[in-house]
Amino acid sequence: DSGVTQTPKHLITATGQRVTLRCSPRSGDLSVYWYQQSLDQGLQFLIQYYNGEERAKGNILERFSAQQFPDLHSELNLSSLELGDSALYFCASSVVAGFSGNTIYFGEGSWLTVV
Amino acid sequence: QQQVKQSPQSLIVQKGGISIINCAYENTAFDYFPWYQQFPGKGPALLIAIRPDVSEKKEGRFTISFNKSAKQFSLHIMDSQPGDSATYFCAANRPETSGSRLTFGEGTQLTVNP
Repeated sequence: DSGVTQTPKHLITATGQRVTLRCSPRSGDLSVYWYQQSLDQGLQFLIQYYNGEERAKGNILERFSAQQFPDLHSELNLSSLELGDSALYFCASSVVAGFSGNTIYFGEGSWLTVV
Repeated sequence: QQQVKQSPQSLIVQKGGISIINCAYENTAFDYFPWYQQFPGKGPALLIAIRPDVSEKKEGRFTISFNKSAKQFSLHIMDSQPGDSATYFCAANRPETSGSRLTFGEGTQLTVNP
């Protein structure tokens, strides 16, 4: 158990809908990352927050947004869902914003299926 | 320049054998190279990592070899066990102004036969 908690574990929704994925980082970790894992794209970095502020941005679609709250939990909002958004969404956390030896811990993911 | 190329896509070894997975990168700004292990239904878990100023790092049966001039690094699993059967991802970290991002390889599905 990495200590990173993600909910829900599984979600099935229809195209055009909006969903929110939630993440609680490990105790003491200030940085939260979101990754998307799909069969054709592999593990793709979406966005990073540190203590409530956006710190790095990857190939996150405009239909997707995220935020980190004062209690450090984070939410990833996915809207106008398309079939191609079906994927496993991982949240990860680390103590600090940068890497270079700072371990990042992944949650077990939220499996999103868009039908 | 953001890509990390990983090979092979899949690998089958016998118990007790050596598993070798290779990765190559282009971006010289990468400053940290971790390997992750992922079991079905689980998130990636950090296995071992190396900085570019070190040529080799060993932790138990797992060794990273790093060739900075060739921009290549590899994971060696000695005395491979059936419990090592998983998907392995190499990654490279790119520091950003106030954050960082990991770029992952495509993954290698390792099967260790008993």
